Amino acid sequence: EIVLAQSPDFQSVTPKEKVTITCRASQSIGSSLHWYQQKPDQSPKLLIKYASQSISGVPSRFSGSGSGTDFTLTINGLEAEDAAAYYCHQSSSLPYSFGQGTKLEIK
Amino acid sequence: QVQLQQWGAGLLKPSETLSLTCGVYGGSFSAYYCSWIRQPPGKGLEWIGEINHRGTTNYNPSLKSRVTISLDTSKNHVSLNMSSVTAADTAVYYCTYSGSYYPDYWGQGTLVTVSS
Repeated sequence: EIVLAQSPDFQSVTPKEKVTITCRASQSIGSSLHWYQQKPDQSPKLLIKYASQSISGVPSRFSGSGSGTDFTLTINGLEAEDAAAYYCHQSSSLPYSFGQGTKLEIK
Repeated sequence: QVQLQQWGAGLLKPSETLSLTCGVYGGSFSAYYCSWIRQPPGKGLEWIGEINHRGTTNYNPSLKSRVTISLDTSKNHVSLNMSSVTAADTAVYYCTYSGSYYPDYWGQGTLVTVSS
């Protein structure tokens, strides 16, 4: 089973700041890594698919990069509405799995 | 626009069977995957399993012995059954729909509480 480890677990950031969240896989997963945003009391929402592919309707300040075992979600110019938990998810190998999540707090 | 609507019992006693159904409306993928994912209160996401348009299933080995996912294509319904529940199964359960291997559309979530 592939384990995904995100860092940090929690980050308190100010608006307009650049935020970087990393996700490391326990073995190579190619580009089969996706990012989700979950706001309180809401269902997760797809932000980035296949490591770096953008999703229609998602603000351009969200971007992803990486391949193999190391991946990054970047938020350029954080906005107050970005306060949420962020999860990475791998679909390379069954059973599919999620990272433990990163909670972003806006100062 | 794809919409997923979930329903099922929200309060169970230990050893009972969890049963949830998800209606998929407006789905247009000729080949699709429906999965179930759960989230214990205040915790992260856990992949339970999936079923594709052919009815082929895959399950998380940690739950496989207790879980069945089924598909009723005539009604566009996907169902989750989980037997012998315990307090550890208390969670919000989500159904998802996608034309690929990652969850694209999500249901509203159903809180299932297991308590005696």
